[in-house]
Amino acid sequence: DTGVSQDPRHKITKRGQNVTFRCDPISEHNRLYWYRQTLGQGPEFLTYFQNEAQLEKSRLLSDRFSAERPKGSFSTLEIQRTEQGDSAMYLCASSLVRDAKETQYFGPGTRLLVL
Amino acid sequence: AQSVTQPDIHITVSEGASLELRCNYSYGATPYLFWYVQSPGQGLQLLLKYFSGDTLVQGIKGFEAEFKRSQSSFNLRKPSVHWSDAAEYFCAVGAWGQNFVFGPGTRLSVLP
Repeated sequence: DTGVSQDPRHKITKRGQNVTFRCDPISEHNRLYWYRQTLGQGPEFLTYFQNEAQLEKSRLLSDRFSAERPKGSFSTLEIQRTEQGDSAMYLCASSLVRDAKETQYFGPGTRLLVL
Repeated sequence: AQSVTQPDIHITVSEGASLELRCNYSYGATPYLFWYVQSPGQGLQLLLKYFSGDTLVQGIKGFEAEFKRSQSSFNLRKPSVHWSDAAEYFCAVGAWGQNFVFGPGTRLSVLP
């Protein structure tokens, strides 16, 4: 069990640029989640995948955000035309659903700063 | 609407003292309950979880939590706090077919 990994850990970009983050879940996990966390707040749900299917997207996820999980393994989160309000920690979590129960395990996060 | 409340934004305790962090929830379904800990600049680490059964659950690092359905609470406790416990603690609630909802967190400071 190598845990959930995320890359990069930190990203500084200028407003208007595009950024892409990667998440590698725990290998046998079939669900993958993306969250956004701002300072002093808990994680807020953005979207999740079951295998390669994106099953739900939050209203927080504007059309500038897109997520993929092409082969049901790693996932990418892209933000186009970044805005200063996108500055946050982006967290990935994975889980294995079993007997209608699941526990989410989190990666270290990618901290984004938009200048 | 589903919600999680952590009434204490910041708690300071002395090393060796006992600790209780409060969590209250409002949830339509029978909830699953979790506590996570986050050190600065890091992701969330699972401390413990409750699905069903015994309402007192044990976790890692000497933490325990008690589910009280009548009070809609899932408070986290530790009998003796260590300096390394200083971090942000998040309570989360989920259910089958529902997304996790996280509380706003409680920041724990530990005095030497």
